[in-house]
Amino acid sequence: DAGVIQSPRHEVTEMGQEVTLRCKPISGHNSLFWYRQTMMRGLELLIYFNNNVPIDDSGMPEDRFSAKMPNASFSTLKIQPSEPRDSAVYFCASRLGGETQYFGPGTRLLVL
Amino acid sequence: AQSVTQPDIHITVSEGASLELRCNYSYGATPYLFWYVQSPGQGLQLLLKYFSGDTLVQGIKGFEAEFKRSQSSFNLRKPSVHWSDAAEYFCAVALDSSYKLIFGSGTRLLVRP
Repeated sequence: DAGVIQSPRHEVTEMGQEVTLRCKPISGHNSLFWYRQTMMRGLELLIYFNNNVPIDDSGMPEDRFSAKMPNASFSTLKIQPSEPRDSAVYFCASRLGGETQYFGPGTRLLVL
Repeated sequence: AQSVTQPDIHITVSEGASLELRCNYSYGATPYLFWYVQSPGQGLQLLLKYFSGDTLVQGIKGFEAEFKRSQSSFNLRKPSVHWSDAAEYFCAVALDSSYKLIFGSGTRLLVRP
């Protein structure tokens, strides 16, 4: 089992650029979560998909953020345009029906 | 509003000593309770979880946690800490069957040789 796969692991970009983070959930899992981790705000849920449908995006900070899940094996989180305050570690997690979420290794984003 | 409090930002213990990390939650009903561990540069790994039943739950790596309803607490314990336990520990709650997690701010554990 490969676990949750995230890419890239590190991203450095300049303010104003578009950033796309990618996630491949564990095969067969039907729910996917995007989290952001910062020193100031800790771990925050951004958006939650169930069966590829966004269920709750109340944590998405603003319109610059968007997330998609075109199929059961792939999701993207896009920031356009990026700002320095978006610098954080972004985690993807997936689960199958039950209660346990399995986290990916995260993408460390730095916006200069 | 629902919240999870981990009052200790840092804890330092000697290798072989016992450990207790505190977690309190604020919620009207009993939520689903979790402890996760994050090693440097890594994602989060589930240590244990509580939904119902026996209030003392066993997890991986020799950890256990006890749910105390009267204190709204779910403290994590380990009888003898190993140097490899140095990491950041997060308590989390899920309020309903959606299992959206609300995390505490984390406790960083340092282990003295």
